[in-house]
Amino acid sequence: GAGVSQSPSNKVTEKGKDVELRCDPISGHTALYWYRQSLGQGLEFLIYFQGNSAPDKSGLPSDRFSAERTGGSVSTLTIQRTQQEDSAVYLCASSPTGETQYFGPGTRLLVL
Amino acid sequence: DAKTTQPPSMDCAEGRAANLPCNHSTISGNEYVYWYRQIHSQGPQYIIHGLKNNETNEMASLIITEDRKSSTLILPHATLRDTAVYYCIVFRFPNAGNNRKLIWGLGTSLAVNP
Repeated sequence: GAGVSQSPSNKVTEKGKDVELRCDPISGHTALYWYRQSLGQGLEFLIYFQGNSAPDKSGLPSDRFSAERTGGSVSTLTIQRTQQEDSAVYLCASSPTGETQYFGPGTRLLVL
Repeated sequence: DAKTTQPPSMDCAEGRAANLPCNHSTISGNEYVYWYRQIHSQGPQYIIHGLKNNETNEMASLIITEDRKSSTLILPHATLRDTAVYYCIVFRFPNAGNNRKLIWGLGTSLAVNP
């Protein structure tokens, strides 16, 4: 079946602009995670959605970062007023229960 | 969540077994050991997980010591396509709230050589 998809695959933007990154999870998966990965680093947790529960936003690095999950399916990560240090690969994962995660290919964000 | 310690890099000859160690000495009773791998420029891929018993699937075997303070991921016949960064993560089933995030380290970069 179809895996997790993310779009765009690559995004180049100018400092100060807003960007939206999209994640389409595996159908039926109730849990959805966002991570970011800087070059040569491990994954950094950003936010977690589980069903209708309030999201766990404890990993968001600043109030410029926000995420939504509409209808328990598609999720959008928004970064406002992008900075050069936001450049990274943004990874989305979904899970049927919240434990074992299935990752998308990521969105490579470059802020000039 | 407990932290894990892995060697930064390892080499393995093609066709041989690759044994990747992980220390998780502060693991608690309800924490699972998960292994993922990340092939260059791709998202991480789930491999296997376990609590205290050894586990095997089509990809790998997971050996967890009796005290659960360390584990080893075994790729029985490594191929060139197994070249990747392997992450060992300790994950706690939530007993309160929504804390399901995984804490990822830098993993082990495994190079399988012809």
